[in-house]
Amino acid sequence: EDKVVQSPLSLVVHEGDTVTLNCSYEVTNFRSLLWYKQEKKAPTFLFMLTSSGIEKKSGRLSSILDKKELFSILNITATQTGDSAIYLCAVGLLSYGKLTFGQGTILTVHP
Amino acid sequence: DGGITQSPKYLFRKEGQNVTLSCEQNLNHDAMYWYRQDPGQGLRLIYYSQIVNDFQKGDIAEGYSVSREKKESFPLTVTSAQKNPTAFYLCASSPGQGAYQPQHFGDGTRLSIL
Repeated sequence: EDKVVQSPLSLVVHEGDTVTLNCSYEVTNFRSLLWYKQEKKAPTFLFMLTSSGIEKKSGRLSSILDKKELFSILNITATQTGDSAIYLCAVGLLSYGKLTFGQGTILTVHP
Repeated sequence: DGGITQSPKYLFRKEGQNVTLSCEQNLNHDAMYWYRQDPGQGLRLIYYSQIVNDFQKGDIAEGYSVSREKKESFPLTVTSAQKNPTAFYLCASSPGQGAYQPQHFGDGTRLSIL
């Protein structure tokens, strides 16, 4: 059975801290790993990773994939209260069009 | 503006009642998806459709039904057979298969039992 596990499940930090969110997976026929941010309603797309070792960056957010050890991390530097959200990791498979999601990490950033 | 519209935002279901959640997209995407989100469980796939007039069951299809008669529309019916329907329902679409293209989400419908 395909499995995607995120850790920690929840995290509370103060503004300015750096956080690292983890996503590990056990799937057959891996194709891609995606990160989303969900505030109140619709998850919004952050990154799509398909190759090992290539970091993707967007402002204070960055992510990298390790296909040998089967995990990805999402880093957020200099956190702000607006970063408070659920961060979702999902894996796409070669043989199907669907994504398998992890449980999500709830990040709370206090002023 | 292009996007995905889900309606209604809130829905209440009585025992034994079928209800239908609407999802419309004007992004010209081929693939559409329905997910259920419960607290602490992330998103679980109910049904997905990669092309008009075709759809496949996801991981938790029991008690749900869908249709895909038009490219832009993918309604979800929650039947009376779904014994625990209270959840947040999200519709998504992508240009092609989700493994190759990011999925874009609507704002969701929150369903509760009366």
